[in-house]
Amino acid sequence: DIQMTQSPSSMSASLGDRVTITCQASQDIGNNLIWFQQKPGKSPRPMIYFAPNLANGVPSRFSGSRSGSDYSLTISSLESEDMADYHCLQYKQYPYTFGAGTKLELK
Amino acid sequence: QVQLKESGPGLVQPSQTLSLTCTVSGFSLTSNSVHWVRQPPGKGLEWVGAIWSGGSTEYNSALKSRLSISRDTSKSQVFLKMNSLQTEDTAIYFCTRYFDYWGQGVMVTVSS
Repeated sequence: DIQMTQSPSSMSASLGDRVTITCQASQDIGNNLIWFQQKPGKSPRPMIYFAPNLANGVPSRFSGSRSGSDYSLTISSLESEDMADYHCLQYKQYPYTFGAGTKLELK
Repeated sequence: QVQLKESGPGLVQPSQTLSLTCTVSGFSLTSNSVHWVRQPPGKGLEWVGAIWSGGSTEYNSALKSRLSISRDTSKSQVFLKMNSLQTEDTAIYFCTRYFDYWGQGVMVTVSS
């Protein structure tokens, strides 16, 4: 199975900060990765598809990128509504696998 | 509009079988895949399995021996059955249309 190593597991940041979360794939997944945002008690919301492409309605302060086997989600200027858990999912190969998640909190 | 809704028992006894239903609307099961994802309390997401538009299935390798996913296209329903439940199977179970639209999830507790 492909392992997705997500870091950090949690972080705190201030409003306006630039924040980056990373998932490292244990095997080549191409750009077959989705980033999700999940708020307490809610279902996951897709934010970025196929690595760099924003899902519908996602603010432009969110972006995705890839460097080798590392996939990053960046929030350019943190807003209060961005406080949530973030998860990555690889869908290159069965079984699909998620990263362990990142809890983003306000400092 | 696209909607998915999970239903099933909230409490299942250890060693018993879990049966969940995902009822969808706004799209066709013969043109879209539906996946199941679960989330233990306070933990991350785990892909459980999927049924594809043609009816083929794929399962999480760790759950494969206990898991079955099927559908009734006439009723727009997808079914998940998992046997030999253990406390580690306690989780919120979500169904999702290829990760763009999600149900609200159903909490399943495995306990005697």
